[in-house]
Amino acid sequence: QSVLTQPPSASGTPGQRVTISCSGSSSNIGSNYVYWYQQLPGTAPKLLIYRNNQRPSGVPDRFSGSKSGTSASLAISGLRSEDEADYYCAAWDDSLSGHVFGGGTKLTVL
Amino acid sequence: EVQLVESGGGLVQPGRSLRLSCAASGFTFDDYAMHWVRQAPGKGLEWVSGISWNSGSIGYADSVKGRFTISRDNAKNSLYLQMNSLRAEDTALYYCAKDMVGYQGAGGAFDIWGQGTMVTVSS
Repeated sequence: QSVLTQPPSASGTPGQRVTISCSGSSSNIGSNYVYWYQQLPGTAPKLLIYRNNQRPSGVPDRFSGSKSGTSASLAISGLRSEDEADYYCAAWDDSLSGHVFGGGTKLTVL
Repeated sequence: EVQLVESGGGLVQPGRSLRLSCAASGFTFDDYAMHWVRQAPGKGLEWVSGISWNSGSIGYADSVKGRFTISRDNAKNSLYLQMNSLRAEDTALYYCAKDMVGYQGAGGAFDIWGQGTMVTVSS
């Protein structure tokens, strides 16, 4: 059971906009930054969003992050086949004094 | 090129020890915190441990506290994870990851990842 809760799966068709939710608590998302990672099949994770809504250089602006209270969301617009991957949210947890991840959401591009 | 290369994984019996290493290149290693993150086969990501730039702040997940020890050698641009009293549930791909900041606590993100080294705990 992960500290952060994500839906196990999501899907969309090419060109569509999809969102992936991440729910936490006051000790993690409610008081700290949220990060999002993309893991393509058979590869290491890649940082997609940091500090709630910032994109590292090289990450397309089709990816955007937001946070409200104890929840966060990752939005992907103009969905492409190469976006098919697992997506993980993460945050620091003050109670656990450690980084926590969501269980991951497998995105399928239909 | 910014790179992290893990090594030291393998098959080990329950209760035994293993030491993982991570060699860093292409960035100023002693400016940043470093972490170990693991992924059990077919499962999600789990943060294992983090260490600040000067080893002054160290953290562990509850699942490994008291059994694993993280360390770094800035002169050798290397990160280590000493794993003792290994259990079957420690079986996973272990990633080394660079933080965006020097402190290993809140505020950081893992912006560079290695390809991982597999640890299998089985008799």
